[in-house]
Amino acid sequence: NAGVTQTPKFQVLKTGQSMTLQCAQDMNHNSMYWYRQDPGMGLRLIYYSASEGTTDKGEVPNGYNVSRLNKREFSLRLESAAPSQTSVYFCASSELAGGNYGYTFGSGTRLTVV
Amino acid sequence: EDQVTQSPEALRLQEGESSSLNCSYTVSGLRGLFWYRQDPGKGPEFLFTLYSAGEEKEKERLKATLTKKESFLHITAPKPEDSATYLCAVQAVGAQKLVFGQGTRLTINP
Repeated sequence: NAGVTQTPKFQVLKTGQSMTLQCAQDMNHNSMYWYRQDPGMGLRLIYYSASEGTTDKGEVPNGYNVSRLNKREFSLRLESAAPSQTSVYFCASSELAGGNYGYTFGSGTRLTVV
Repeated sequence: EDQVTQSPEALRLQEGESSSLNCSYTVSGLRGLFWYRQDPGKGPEFLFTLYSAGEEKEKERLKATLTKKESFLHITAPKPEDSATYLCAVQAVGAQKLVFGQGTRLTINP
């Protein structure tokens, strides 16, 4: 029972570098989400995919791009990392859009941009 | 704009000392209110979903209740293993995402 798997778990980037955060779920869920979590700010939605083939912006999309590669995988890309993107990133999935039965979260990627 | 405010930010209790966490929300139309538990270094873990005022759900020492403006997470006779951050989130009718509060960091001292 892997659930939602995120890679990498930790990453340090220099300002201006790019990277892709990977997320995969094995629960046959339709919807997937990317959140960032910062002290005092709570969880904020970056992008989401209600179903395979669709993606939509969340609350804080600037500086990020996403790809819903297939039903299982949803990646988050930082094209030119900035110190303001230092955060913990969580991927989540749900059976139905909006999560009637709750989201299943991954264990997170801790990203530091120097 | 949908908003969720949790209080207090942090709470310390002695083992066995019952208390409640508050989640106040503003939403155009509530589809569901969710409670999650988050341990340090881990992702949030789903606890409950509440859909309508007056609804209650229980799990071990936790009981969640819902009114039209707020939800409470009651913790009865807590144990040190209940220490965690508890997150509240709402989903509006027609929305495809959840809006989270900032969380309450709960510490239970033995």
